[in-house]
Amino acid sequence: DAKTTQPTSMDCAEGRAANLPCNHSTISGNEYVYWYRQIHSQGPQYIIHGLKNNETNEMASLIITEDRKSSTLILPHATLRDTAVYYCIVRVMNYGGSQGNLIFGKGTKLSVKP
Amino acid sequence: DTGVSQNPRHKITKRGQNVTFRCDPISEHNRLYWYRQTLGQGPEFLTYFQNEAQLEKSRLLSDRFSAERPKGSFSTLEIQRTEQGDSAMYLCASSGEGIAETQYFGPGTRLLVL
Repeated sequence: DAKTTQPTSMDCAEGRAANLPCNHSTISGNEYVYWYRQIHSQGPQYIIHGLKNNETNEMASLIITEDRKSSTLILPHATLRDTAVYYCIVRVMNYGGSQGNLIFGKGTKLSVKP
Repeated sequence: DTGVSQNPRHKITKRGQNVTFRCDPISEHNRLYWYRQTLGQGPEFLTYFQNEAQLEKSRLLSDRFSAERPKGSFSTLEIQRTEQGDSAMYLCASSGEGIAETQYFGPGTRLLVL
């Protein structure tokens, strides 16, 4: 079972920031938070990941709370092309080659509206 | 394009037939994953390779399913005696080897069993 809880759906106005929350209250110290998105009929697209510090890249920002029990993915200026299902995943990491397969939940369906 | 590629993109078959899908990972990646996604659900892990060795198989991978990665490069997933319940999107992902290596997904192969 997925270790994360996300809202089923969200709407966002085009040009505004989209803030997608994720709860991962049982996260362990050796687990990273990953975000992927999936546009209809395509493979999942990697967005960003983090361990405990906030992260930013060209696609998005990831804000992780100090206790690491929740996080927020921020798309700063949402466009219609950002309409997709967004998945928040926690993933175990360790040395010695953990296979680290991703466990997806149902994600949040983000609809960006004009 | 140096991303993960999958062929064919679509496959329609009749119940009882065998089908084979191919995945070409990103060239420097030694880890390769197969996932299955049914309508309305997130992807589910099927199996994982490190180089040519198949290191983990999910309970979802019945005896009718077999995966290979003979030279540690491309991989094939074969389904024998297909059933209507096998209809799904089959996704391949690859990653490098490391503590936080990101998995990058291909576009998927959509299978319809009639």
